[in-house]
Amino acid sequence: QKEVEQNSGPLSVPEGAIASLNCTYSDRGSQSFFWYRQYSGKSPELIMSIYSNGDKEDGRFTAQLNKASQYVSLLIRDSQPSDSATYLCAVNPLGVGNNRKLIWGLGTSLAVNP
Amino acid sequence: DAGITQSPRYKITETGRQVTLMCHQTWSHSYMFWYRQDLGHGLRLIYYSAAADITDKGEVPDGYVVSRSKTENFPLTLESATRSQTSVYFCTSGGEAYEQYFGPGTRLTVT
Repeated sequence: QKEVEQNSGPLSVPEGAIASLNCTYSDRGSQSFFWYRQYSGKSPELIMSIYSNGDKEDGRFTAQLNKASQYVSLLIRDSQPSDSATYLCAVNPLGVGNNRKLIWGLGTSLAVNP
Repeated sequence: DAGITQSPRYKITETGRQVTLMCHQTWSHSYMFWYRQDLGHGLRLIYYSAAADITDKGEVPDGYVVSRSKTENFPLTLESATRSQTSVYFCTSGGEAYEQYFGPGTRLTVT
């Protein structure tokens, strides 16, 4: 069974700090990796995608991918109270008949304290 | 406006009734998906569609039916609603880089 695992949290960080969210996946052949943010009562919103090893930066967000170790992480610099949300990791596993399905983690709850 | 919409946003129905949740996207994406999200279970795939007239079961399809006669629409029907189908339902459409875009969701309560 293909799996994506995240620490459920809550992860609590002070305002202005770096928040580090981690995700591991079981399918070594996975090719596409995504981070979504979900505010309470709202739908998930895509914030980062990464497809190759290394870092990808977008504003205060950095996604890091290490396929050899099968983990992907999300760093949020200068965390703000508005970053308080649940962050979902999603992985597109490689395979015949995958049909673009994503495997989802359960999410990590982040609380940024003023 | 471009995007993905769902209706209704909130629905209360009784056990045994048929309910249809609507999903409409304006991007002409080939792939569309239906999920339910429940506390402790995360997002679970109900059905998905690779194109008009092509649908397939996901992880939790029992009690649900889908159709896709047009690319832009992907309705989900609960044939005879049960209390265990009380949930938040999300429709997504799939972009070219394998990402998915979410609709606003439908909060369904079955009494």
